Amino acid sequence: KNEVEQSPQNLTAQEGEFITINCSYSVGISALHWLQQHPGGGIVSLFMLSSGKKKHGRLIATINIQEKHSSLHITASHPRDSAVYICAVATGNQFYFGTGTSLTVIP
Amino acid sequence: KAGVTQTPRYLIKTRGQQVTLSCSPISGHRSVSWYQQTPGQGLQFLFEYFSETQRNKGNFPGRFSGRQFSNSRSEMNVSTLELGDSALYLCASSPTTSGGNNEQFFGPGTRLTVL
Repeated sequence: KNEVEQSPQNLTAQEGEFITINCSYSVGISALHWLQQHPGGGIVSLFMLSSGKKKHGRLIATINIQEKHSSLHITASHPRDSAVYICAVATGNQFYFGTGTSLTVIP
Repeated sequence: KAGVTQTPRYLIKTRGQQVTLSCSPISGHRSVSWYQQTPGQGLQFLFEYFSETQRNKGNFPGRFSGRQFSNSRSEMNVSTLELGDSALYLCASSPTTSGGNNEQFFGPGTRLTVL
């Protein structure tokens, strides 16, 4: 049983395209995180949200608590956005991770 | 501020041995969480320490243990290593205990290979 499901698993886009990555979860959460992992393993936290919408530069994250769904949007994608994007949910005493979306942005 | 540091970065062990990994959090951060990442299972939560106490624990066998020192540095120990323990072990720090409700700052990870 997967508490967190992400789609798509793999995504290839042309530079400049608008990208959406989806995350659905099945548990009650206190927060949802979007993480970025580059080749080599380093993980960076992009967003933590429990309601509504957050924006940072070209990245936008939204969450719908009633529907148990979150989306990560990248506007005007760039090759440096190529990475694995991971959705994670916190339940207060546990952390569950999605399997990640591998994004490749082609120049 | 220096980021989260983990040592060693790479480690090779044989089955049956034990291993200790170290994590130094960002200065002022008091919570340290540990995660295991494998190609088959992805990222999984191991445990969280705050103020030298384990606050939360994932679903791992007792061979996986940890501790936190008064300076917030944390160590993770795996005893009786199995081939399936080969993984990237990541730690993350946050200012307070969170259960995941605070932003996590990740270290570069320790890549453990069990032969």
